Amino acid sequence: EDQVTQSPEALRLQEGESSSLNCSYTVSGLRGLFWYRQDPGKGPEFLFTLYSAGEEKEKERLKATLTKKESFLHITAPKPEDSATYLCAVQDTGFQKLVFGTGTRLLVSP
Amino acid sequence: DVKVTQSSRYLVKRTGEKVFLECVQDMDHENMFWYRQDPGLGLRLIYFSYDVKMKEKGDIPEGYSVSREKKERFSLILESASTNQTSMYLCASKGGREYEQYFGPGTRLTVT
Repeated sequence: EDQVTQSPEALRLQEGESSSLNCSYTVSGLRGLFWYRQDPGKGPEFLFTLYSAGEEKEKERLKATLTKKESFLHITAPKPEDSATYLCAVQDTGFQKLVFGTGTRLLVSP
Repeated sequence: DVKVTQSSRYLVKRTGEKVFLECVQDMDHENMFWYRQDPGLGLRLIYFSYDVKMKEKGDIPEGYSVSREKKERFSLILESASTNQTSMYLCASKGGREYEQYFGPGTRLTVT
């Protein structure tokens, strides 16, 4: 059974304090690993898709990386507006559905 | 930009009522999905549709049904709402050649 585990559950950073969020996954065949950002009371907003180990993608202060067992979302010099819940999901080959982790709640204080 | 809209942001219904949640996408996507999101449980797939009038059960279909009469519209139906269906409901859509799903703003449903 496909499974996604995210850690930590919650993370509090000072503005400018870089850190990483972890997403560990088990899947029989990886079609894609996805990162989303979700603000309170809103739907998830798509950030990145990673397809194979070694791949990296960047967007502003965010950088996502992928290995065969986990993905990291690195946040460099975060700002308060980066505060949100970050969700990781995987799609198995041959299936349409995504399997989500429970997310990491990030709070960046000024 | 992909736009997915949901009929209501907030909804309050009584136990036993029939509830309709509607989702519309404007990108001519083949695939549409309904999830519910609960604290500590994450997003769980209720139903999805890969074409008009086609549907597949997700992980938690009990108590729900769906309808897709037009490509752009996917409806989630709670035949007889119960308090354990109080949740955030999220609709998503995906093109045939894309992998990522795009989500609507969500409907916060409370059943009393």
